[in-house]
Amino acid sequence: DTEVTQTPKHLVMGMTNKKSLKCEQHMGHRAMYWYKQKAKKPPELMFVYSYEKLSINESVPSRFSPECPNSSLLNLHLHALQPEDSALYLCASSQDPRSYEQYFGPGTRLTVT
Amino acid sequence: RKEVEQDPGPFNVPEGATVAFNCTYSNSASQSFFWYRQDCRKEPKLLMSVYSSGNEDGRFTAQLNRASQYISLLIRDSKLSDSATYLCVVALNNAGNMLTFGGGTRLMVKP
Repeated sequence: DTEVTQTPKHLVMGMTNKKSLKCEQHMGHRAMYWYKQKAKKPPELMFVYSYEKLSINESVPSRFSPECPNSSLLNLHLHALQPEDSALYLCASSQDPRSYEQYFGPGTRLTVT
Repeated sequence: RKEVEQDPGPFNVPEGATVAFNCTYSNSASQSFFWYRQDCRKEPKLLMSVYSSGNEDGRFTAQLNRASQYISLLIRDSKLSDSATYLCVVALNNAGNMLTFGGGTRLMVKP
C-alpha cells in the first residue's frame, strides 16, 4: 500500500466555521507534512511532523492548527479562515525525516466563503 | 531571486518529439534533487531523483550540473500522457526534510 489518503476531497466553509482536514498513510512512514498550493503555483510547506512531533512550522497563522494523533494520521484544524486561504491542501509522507522522497495525497480543495 | 527557477512554459510539442526542461537553483549547499510531475488538479508525484552522474528511466533522463547549479530533464518520444506540469525540487540535507519546489514547467503534447 503506497497510498496517502485525504478527506474530504472538497470543502466549502464560511469564515466563522471550524473544520478539519484529515490525512492517513499506512506505509509506516514516520514523517508527515502539510502543504498549501494555490492555482498555478508550487506547493508551499506549512508543517512537518517527525515521529509524531511537530518539527517545522513555516510561520503559519494560528488559524491553522496541525495535530498528529498517531504515526498514521495527520489532521489540520481550521478556524476563522480568510477567503485567501482557499487553496489545495496537500498531505505528504516520507519514510523518515531524513528521506526526501515524499509521497503526496490527492489533496483537499478548500474554498473559504 | 527565487531559490529554484524554471521556465513556466507552456511547451507545446507534437507526439514523438524530444523535449528538455531546465531548472536552476540558488543555494550551492543543496544536496538532493528531484523531478516531480503534477497533472492538472492532482497531487505531485515523484518522477525521478537526480544524481550527479545523471540517471535514466525509460524515456526520461535527468542530469545535474553542480558547478552551474543546473538540473535538466529530457523526455524522448513524447506521449500524450506526458502532458503535465514538471516540478524541479531541491533539498538541503541539513534542513530537516524541507523540499523547495520550483514554479513548474507546463508540457502539452499534441497529437
